[in-house]
Amino acid sequence: GAVVSQHPSRVICKSGTSVKIECRSLDFQATTMFWYRQFPKQSLMLMATSNEGSKATYEQGVEKDKFLINHASLTLSTLTVTSAHPEDSSFYICSASLVNTEAFFGQGTRLTVV
Amino acid sequence: QKEVEQNSGPLSVPEGAIASLNCTYSDRGSQSFFWYRQYSGKSPELIMSIYSNGDKEDGRFTAQLNKASQYVSLLIRDSQPSDSATYLCAVKRAGGSYIPTFGRGTSLIVHP
Repeated sequence: GAVVSQHPSRVICKSGTSVKIECRSLDFQATTMFWYRQFPKQSLMLMATSNEGSKATYEQGVEKDKFLINHASLTLSTLTVTSAHPEDSSFYICSASLVNTEAFFGQGTRLTVV
Repeated sequence: QKEVEQNSGPLSVPEGAIASLNCTYSDRGSQSFFWYRQYSGKSPELIMSIYSNGDKEDGRFTAQLNKASQYVSLLIRDSQPSDSATYLCAVKRAGGSYIPTFGRGTSLIVHP
């Protein structure tokens, strides 16, 4: 299957700082990238969908000014958690896909805000 | 409301048995169906995709799709303790918005 690389895999940051998470599709050009958040023992929660060169589409209840998504190229999308707070601590996962194909997931980023 | 329903489990089966995981969906426009496995603390990994009615086999895994009844299932033969994980069902429409909709997942425990 296709390879999606997500970095970093784990990050600890201080409350009030910003954290950037990168998601790269290594062997294909992704039409669309998705960002999910998952709390312990909970299901995947879609945060936003991003298409290269256009603004991300955020799901209801997700603050676009807090979770900045940039999809600069067909192989790279970034999620920046701005002014992070402890309640933002979660497992963030990106996925990438072409139209009408399966989505491939990155390894996930465990964010801990202290 | 597009929904994908799965029994959260846990489903507990003995080693060597067949594990049967089920998923129903509400959107009749769904055309693509996927099963993902997620180990605790890890991201989901794709194990099966199915697009047409019937069975699709890959090693110990068989996906079954019935569009008329709007369900898709995953059978795991000769279950192993290493199969213990949460299994996520996902569906997508063809064309238009191709955002996959995920179920909550079924926790499978294979005990020795």
